[in-house]
Amino acid sequence: DTGVSQDPRHKITKRGQNVTFRCDPISEHNRLYWYRQTLGQGPEFLTYFQNEAQLEKSRLLSDRFSAERPKGSFSTLEIQRTEQGDSAMYLCASSPGTGWGNEKLFFGSGTQLSVL
Amino acid sequence: AQKVTQAQTEISVVEKEDVTLDCVYETRDTTYYLFWYKQPPSGELVFLIRRNSFDEQNEISGRYSWNFQKSTSSFNFTITASQVVDSAVYFCALSEGSSNTGKLIFGQGTTLQVKP
Repeated sequence: DTGVSQDPRHKITKRGQNVTFRCDPISEHNRLYWYRQTLGQGPEFLTYFQNEAQLEKSRLLSDRFSAERPKGSFSTLEIQRTEQGDSAMYLCASSPGTGWGNEKLFFGSGTQLSVL
Repeated sequence: AQKVTQAQTEISVVEKEDVTLDCVYETRDTTYYLFWYKQPPSGELVFLIRRNSFDEQNEISGRYSWNFQKSTSSFNFTITASQVVDSAVYFCALSEGSSNTGKLIFGQGTTLQVKP
């Protein structure tokens, strides 16, 4: 069990550029979540996958955001035409997803995005 | 609508003092789950406890204890004999029981500083 890993840890970009983050969940975890956390706030849900299917997206996830989980393994979160308001910590979490929901989530260390 | 409120933004104590972190929640679900997570400076949220709405028994785990009171919609967390290593941001979170998403609604977090 190597834990949830996220790459990169930090990303600095200029407004208008596209960025992509990667998350590798714990092996054999069926569920994968993306959250966003701004300074001084708790994480906010963005989206989640059950295997390769994206089952729910928050209204926070504008059209500029897209997430994928091909083959139900790692996931990517892409932000197109970044804006300064996108600056935040992007957290990935996974859970076994073998039973009813509400299992505990295992979080990665996050990707800190700064948009200049 | 679901909501979690952690009214204490920051708490500072001296080592060995006891400290209680407050959490108040709102939900219309009769079945729900409450969580506490710890976020150290490294950024990775660490699961501490999960409690379902039908189990109001208090729980103790070493120096940690939790007091769940449905009558006041509160799920408070107490650290006994605090240590410097307890310094972190602590989040209370709520999950709907009626859905199978496992999605968490987080409070704003309480930053705990334990001074030597």
